Amino acid sequence: AQSVTQLDSQVPVFEEAPVELRCNYSSSVSVYLFWYVQYPNQGLQLLLKYLSGSTLVKGINGFEAEFNKSQTSFHLRKPSVHISDTAEYFCAVTHVPSGGSYIPTFGRGTSLIVHP
Amino acid sequence: EAGVAQSPRYKIIEKRQSVAFWCNPISGHATLYWYQQILGQGPKLLIQFQNNGVVDDSQLPKDRFSAERLKGVDSTLKIQPAKLEDSAVYLCASSLGDSGGAPDTQYFGPGTRLTVL
Repeated sequence: AQSVTQLDSQVPVFEEAPVELRCNYSSSVSVYLFWYVQYPNQGLQLLLKYLSGSTLVKGINGFEAEFNKSQTSFHLRKPSVHISDTAEYFCAVTHVPSGGSYIPTFGRGTSLIVHP
Repeated sequence: EAGVAQSPRYKIIEKRQSVAFWCNPISGHATLYWYQQILGQGPKLLIQFQNNGVVDDSQLPKDRFSAERLKGVDSTLKIQPAKLEDSAVYLCASSLGDSGGAPDTQYFGPGTRLTVL
């Protein structure tokens, strides 16, 4: 079984400050990892994903995340946030299937609140 | 390119009533997903279709929930009868379904917010 833990339910930050949203996962097999963003009254949008290769993944809107296998983490970072980054952020994991399809498991989400 | 369309956007019903949601995926996307997102939680996969066949429905409460994708394009999700705990946002997503062995990028619709009174 796989699970995702987003350690912070809410992260307040001032505009132009750096931010890190934390995500830890548990899985007994190799995984694929994703970060999605959900703006108010909208569906989820993919920010970035780790499938293989370089552990530092760059996504849209200046976000990046680093896959750390030893710490089973996939934290999301941005060096300087903007008011428009205020949204809900979801970490998700899916594992290599054993004859089946990829079934994603989402974390509970972290609300990023950017203050002027 | 048009995104994933869902309707209605909002629905309010009383418990024990029935309700249906509709989803039209991105053209050409073979895989379609229905998720339930309860307030304060992440999306939970209810059912996944590949064309018109069910790939996974292990988390679908089959005593009251049903879904179909008859022609491998659009899909409906039905709840009959609804319970208070079904209040949630129901998200539909689609993906190409052919990415060479890696998981697809899913594209989400805006969701249907269901309130059961």
